[in-house]
Amino acid sequence: AQSVTQLGSHVSVSEGALVLLRCNYSSSVPPYLFWYVQYPNQGLQLLLKYTSAATLVKGINGFEAEFKKSETSFHLTKPSAHMSDAAEYFCAVSGTGGFKTIFGAGTRLFVKA
Amino acid sequence: EAGVVQSPRYKIIEKKQPVAFWCNPISGHNTLYWYLQNLGQGPELLIRYENEEAVDDSQLPKDRFSAERLKGVDSTLKIQPAELGDSAVYLCASSLVATIDTGELFFGEGSRLTVL
Repeated sequence: AQSVTQLGSHVSVSEGALVLLRCNYSSSVPPYLFWYVQYPNQGLQLLLKYTSAATLVKGINGFEAEFKKSETSFHLTKPSAHMSDAAEYFCAVSGTGGFKTIFGAGTRLFVKA
Repeated sequence: EAGVVQSPRYKIIEKKQPVAFWCNPISGHNTLYWYLQNLGQGPELLIRYENEEAVDDSQLPKDRFSAERLKGVDSTLKIQPAELGDSAVYLCASSLVATIDTGELFFGEGSRLTVL
């Protein structure tokens, strides 16, 4: 079975500050991990994905995430927040066993001017 | 390249009424998904199609929900009769991957249902 836990339903940062959104996963098979972003009244858009290649994954809009097997984590970071980063972020896991992508509950990012 | 298209974007109905949502996936994507997204939650899979075959509908409440994907392209999700608890956003997604689920999901903008 697979599951995803996102720590913190809301995160607030100042513009220019570090963004850190936390994600822990559980998987009985080697996982494939994803971060998606959802802007208001829009569908989800892929930010980045980990599929067993490099553990540090770079995505769009300056975001990156690091796969840490020992910690079962896949935290999302961005060195400097921009107002346009305000959105809902979803961590997701899938694997060869189920063909099903499981999403976390999401973390809403607020960026203060 | 056109993205995943869903309609209607918004629908308000009274309980016990029927409602239908339509999805047109990205051209060439053989796998199509319907997800349910409740307020403040992540998407939850309702049904997955590979071409015209529903290969995972274990989370679809079959007493009132039905779906079809004729000719392996467009898909329709129907609720009859709708209940208050069905108020949510219904997301359609498509992907190229038909076997190992490592592929990116491409989502439509969703259909927001309000049941009064």
